[in-house]
Amino acid sequence: NAGVTQTPKFQVLKTGQSMTLQCAQDMNHEYMSWYRQDPGMGLRLIHYSVGAGITDQGEVPNGYNVSRSTTEDFPLRLLSAAPSQTSVYFCASSQTYQGYEQYFGPGTRLTVT
Amino acid sequence: GDSVTQMEGPVTLSEEAFLTINCTYTATGYPSLFWYVQYPGEGLQLLLKATKADDKGSNKGFEATYRKETTSFHLEKGSVQVSDSAVYFCALSVQMSGGGADGLTFGKGTHLIIQP
Repeated sequence: NAGVTQTPKFQVLKTGQSMTLQCAQDMNHEYMSWYRQDPGMGLRLIHYSVGAGITDQGEVPNGYNVSRSTTEDFPLRLLSAAPSQTSVYFCASSQTYQGYEQYFGPGTRLTVT
Repeated sequence: GDSVTQMEGPVTLSEEAFLTINCTYTATGYPSLFWYVQYPGEGLQLLLKATKADDKGSNKGFEATYRKETTSFHLEKGSVQVSDSAVYFCALSVQMSGGGADGLTFGKGTHLIIQP
């Protein structure tokens, strides 16, 4: 099993550009989520999904879209990149949510200039 | 809302010292509690967890006990090694009344540095 994979590993965008961060898991997990990590802020939940076709907002959803068309994939779309979105983005998955270990991907480091 | 407060570092210790990283929480429901570790340049890995009051999670010599009365989940290790140098995150998840949960709420992380 590859676990949780994320692409790209690094990305530089100009303000106003759009892009999609890819996330895939091969563990047949129901629950997937996206976090951003900023210095001194810990990790904050952007969006999450409890199954294919179901998504919901987390703590900091503005400027991001998600969809879950399959169990395996959970892409994160930046609609119009802003410097405030410079961060490290982590995707995570778990068998379900309460009490189960979340498996994290290696992260995508995004810089918006 | 739910929140996690943990001591912020960096925390610098000598090898073989005793480690405590404090973590307290506020939650509206009955949370599960976690400690995650992040090594440089990597994602987060689960270190240990506890899902109900008085449970003790343990792994790789680390321990933490879920204390409902003090709303705490302090991480301890009796003798740290240089390889324990990393950032440690305390986190919680709360099951919603409808059965769902909206992910993990993290503390800000504690950077631990172990000197030989």
